[in-house]
Formats: sequence, C-alpha cells, structure tokens
Amino acid sequence: AQTVTQSQPEMSVQEAETVTLSCTYDTSESDYYLFWYKQPPSRQMILVIRQEAYKQQNATENRFSVNFQKAAKSFSLKISDSQLGDAAMYFCAYRRYGDDKIIFGKGTRLHILP
Amino acid sequence: NAGVTQTPKFQVLKTGQSMTLQCAQDMNHNSMYWYRQDPGMGLRLIYYSASEGTTDKGEVPNGYNVSRLNKREFSLRLESAAPSQTSVYFCASRGLQGASGNTIYFGEGSWLTVV
Repeated sequence: AQTVTQSQPEMSVQEAETVTLSCTYDTSESDYYLFWYKQPPSRQMILVIRQEAYKQQNATENRFSVNFQKAAKSFSLKISDSQLGDAAMYFCAYRRYGDDKIIFGKGTRLHILP
Repeated sequence: NAGVTQTPKFQVLKTGQSMTLQCAQDMNHNSMYWYRQDPGMGLRLIYYSASEGTTDKGEVPNGYNVSRLNKREFSLRLESAAPSQTSVYFCASRGLQGASGNTIYFGEGSWLTVV
C-alpha cells in the first residue's frame, strides 16, 4: 500500500527566509502525481503545487517550488521569501495514475516568525 | 461559484445516535471523497467514489457508510456514533482530466463532536 510520510510535525522560519518541508512516499508504481496542499487556520484546503512523476522538471509556482527526486521517492517543498500568510499546516499527497484514491501525509505545521 | 458544499458545518451527537453528512459539488466532477482530519493524524480517507453508483473503502471505513446518490451528491452516514468519531470531516471532488483531473477540491469541513 502506498504511504506518504512527513517527518517534520512542526517547523519555524524567520520572515523573508527560505524553508524546506520534507515528504517521502512509498510506491511501486512509476506513474503518479504528487501534491502539496496548504491548510491555514480557516481549515480551507488550498492546492499549492503539483508534480507529475513523468516530468523531470521540478514544478514551480511563484515562491513555491519542489525538489522531486523520483529514485529516492522524495518530494520536498521549498518556500522562498517566507511571508506571514504562509503560516499553515502543509500536507503532501499522492495519487497513482489511473487510480482515484488520494493519500495524504500527516502534515507539517509551519510557523513564520516576524 | 459554490464548488464543494458540505452540511452541516457543526454537529454535536450523543453516543449511539445516527446522522448523515451531506456533500454536493457543482463542478461536474466524477470522483468524490470523504476524509477525516484528526490532530497528529493528517487527512485519512474514509470512502471514495469514482463515479455515480460506485463506492470504495479508504483507509478508515469502519463505522461509516456512504451513498453516491447521483453525480453531484455523496453522503456519509454514521449509523451509531462513537466518541472516536469526533473529528473534522472533509468532502472533496476531482474531475476526470486536465487540470481539474489532477486537483482535488475540498469543502469547508464539518465539525462533528460525539459525547
């Protein structure tokens, strides 16, 4: 069974600095999708970034980028120029290509220090 | 633009009572999901439905039943509520292809307390 592991329950970063959140996953599949979701205190789930496993190029969305290492089954999220609004719970998620099931990690709570 | 709508947003139940969480999406999505979120446990998949008329168990299905009434609606039922089912419940949906096929859209959550 596929699993998603986020080994950092909480992290803190100074405003304007860069922070990297870790995610590893376990799968025997070669085609799949990976996601990072943000959940602010409002509890709304917001898609931050997604990556297709067949793409070698790392996805980027403004200040958010990923480091996708397929062989290592690692999918980390880098937040540059951290802002107070980035404070939230961040979830890593996995979906196998052709499957409907989407599995989430336990989340990393990110604190931004002013 | 409603997206995914869940009702009720808050509910307090007594142990042994039953209730149904309703979910509807207006994006013509095929796949729908129910997750629960507990502190330190992340989001865990309860049930999902790939299309109208089909449902499948997720990671934590025990104590729950679901109904995919039509393409828009996917309900979650607790037949005999237990304190362990105190949680925040999220409904979500996903389209079939393209950008909406690779993104799931969540409702705002339903806070359920079982006393």
